[in-house]
Amino acid sequence: DTAVSQTPKYLVTQMGNDKSIKCEQNLGHDTMYWYKQDSKKFLKIMFSYNNKELIINETVPNRFSPKSPDKAHLNLHINSLELGDSAVYFCASSPGPVGYGYTFGSGTRLTVV
Amino acid sequence: DQQVKQNSPSLSVQEGRISILNCDYTNSMFDYFLWYKKYPAEGPTFLISISSIKDKNEDGRFTVFLNKSAKHLSLHIVPSQPGDSAVYFCAASETGRRALTFGSGTRLQVQP
Repeated sequence: DTAVSQTPKYLVTQMGNDKSIKCEQNLGHDTMYWYKQDSKKFLKIMFSYNNKELIINETVPNRFSPKSPDKAHLNLHINSLELGDSAVYFCASSPGPVGYGYTFGSGTRLTVV
Repeated sequence: DQQVKQNSPSLSVQEGRISILNCDYTNSMFDYFLWYKKYPAEGPTFLISISSIKDKNEDGRFTVFLNKSAKHLSLHIVPSQPGDSAVYFCAASETGRRALTFGSGTRLQVQP
């Protein structure tokens, strides 16, 4: 039973399309995150939600919109996809303090053509 | 502006030997450091962490050392095993901010 699951695992789409990536965690964690791994392999925070409340919103184009219907789900919707959005997107969750570490999903590889 | 740097993109060691992975940081506000291990097509998995009030933390074959004055930490794996072959990410955080700042990773290959 996967702790943090993301769907889809792979997503190939054309420029200008709108797409969503879903994330669910069954760990009972309060905080969920979206990270983007770029071409240089850095993992960078995009958003964080704590109990459905947005607590971190990094400098991300407003074409990216997170939605948390409940504390077990955090979805990422991307409008008007661009070539530069191609990356691997990771969802993660944590019980609270960073010291416990995150649990990451297996990632969604988004390719915009 | 890379606040967490892993300057060695790859490292190869023999099975049974010690693996030492290094990480440098620039942000003095970082007070918690973590190491993650990542296999291909999987998400990173938490390995070990250290608070800035300590200089060493050990968990089985894994030990993390922190040198605050040098803004440097290292992960030691002893003895190294082929199953340790993966990409290792160093990460850091500031108090009250749950976001992690990651390095670019070091690919470790342990040769049988």
